[in-house]
Amino acid sequence: AQTVTQSQPEMSVQEAETVTLSCTYDTSESDYYLFWYKQPPSRQMILVIRQEAYKQQNATENRFSVNFQKAAKSFSLKISDSQLGDAAMYFCAYRSPRGGGSNYKLTFGKGTLLTVNP
Amino acid sequence: DSGVTQTPKHLITATGQRVTLRCSPRSGDLSVYWYQQSLDQGLQFLIQYYNGEERAKGNILERFSAQQFPDLHSELNLSSLELGDSALYFCASSVGGTGTSGNTIYFGEGSWLTVV
Repeated sequence: AQTVTQSQPEMSVQEAETVTLSCTYDTSESDYYLFWYKQPPSRQMILVIRQEAYKQQNATENRFSVNFQKAAKSFSLKISDSQLGDAAMYFCAYRSPRGGGSNYKLTFGKGTLLTVNP
Repeated sequence: DSGVTQTPKHLITATGQRVTLRCSPRSGDLSVYWYQQSLDQGLQFLIQYYNGEERAKGNILERFSAQQFPDLHSELNLSSLELGDSALYFCASSVGGTGTSGNTIYFGEGSWLTVV
């Protein structure tokens, strides 16, 4: 079974600075999808960025980018020019591309709580 | 706004009772997923439906059941409620169960269930 580990329960960053959130995962599959979701105090789960394992190029969405290291099974999220609105819980998630059984599900890490200091 | 609609947003009920949570997926999405988020268990996958049929089952208790209707909305039924069932229940949807286009899952705002 796949597992996702976020080793940083809490992180803080100064406004306008850059912060990197770590995520590692364990899988025997060669093809899969990885995601970062943001959960602000409103508790809504908001998709931040996704990465297909077959793509070597790291995904980027505006101020958010990932460092995907497939061999190391590492998927970190970099937030540049941090803003107060970035304060939230961030979850890393894994999904198998194949169906059958519970493979359709997202497997989540336990989350990293990001605080942005003004 | 993800396009996934959940009702009710908040619900308080007593132990032993039964509640129904409702979810309308994004327009065009055929898959619906239910997740439970509690403080001690984190985000747990409960069950998935695809176009009306159960597709995958996770850590869903026997006291819980779900279904997806012909119009693709879904309901999660929780019965014989216990204090430990208090949690945030998310519904999510995606276009399909497999294939590139079906691999992004969008979440609703969740239904807060408090069992007293």
